[in-house]
Amino acid sequence: KQEVTQIPAALSVPEGENLVLNCSFTDSAIYNLQWFRQDPGKGLTSLLLIQSSQREQTSGRLNASLDKSSGRSTLYIAASQPGDSATYLCAVFVSGTYKYIFGTGTRLKVLA
Amino acid sequence: DGGITQSPKYLFRKEGQNVTLSCEQNLNHDAMYWYRQDPGQGLRLIYYSQIVNDFQKGDIAEGYSVSREKKESFPLTVTSAQKNPTAFYLCASSMYSGNTEAFFGQGTRLTVV
Repeated sequence: KQEVTQIPAALSVPEGENLVLNCSFTDSAIYNLQWFRQDPGKGLTSLLLIQSSQREQTSGRLNASLDKSSGRSTLYIAASQPGDSATYLCAVFVSGTYKYIFGTGTRLKVLA
Repeated sequence: DGGITQSPKYLFRKEGQNVTLSCEQNLNHDAMYWYRQDPGQGLRLIYYSQIVNDFQKGDIAEGYSVSREKKESFPLTVTSAQKNPTAFYLCASSMYSGNTEAFFGQGTRLTVV
């Protein structure tokens, strides 16, 4: 059974720091991996999608990498800002099952 | 504007009542999903549907029912059999092959009163 883990559960950093969020999964048979942002009381906003054949994707200050063989993905946020404060979730789309399995998220707070 | 619309935003249910949460998408996506989110926990899959008139149970389907009569719509009914329905419910859609990027609605917060 696929399990997705995110470490750390919470993170507090001063503005301007570069930071890395981690996501690990137990079964490498994934179709893709997606990173989301969730603000309190809101739905999820898609940040980056990495297909299983890709190693990384970039969007602005965000860079996500994928290492299928080791079951790991990282989300790198450059020059963090207070507006980046949110919960970040990763999810894997499991091959053959047509569904996403989510991690429990990392709650990020960027201090001004 | 393309996207997913969930309604209502807030819903209150009395004990023993059935309530239905609406989810509509105009992204022409084949697959639609319902997730439940409880405080401090990840998203748990309730039901999902890959095509019209077909759907599968997720990890926590007991006490819930769905229908998929139209490609654009995937309503979720929370029945009286669901003993602890107070939660945040999220609907999502995606293609089920190729670019399977998932998009989410803004959620419905259900509270039992």
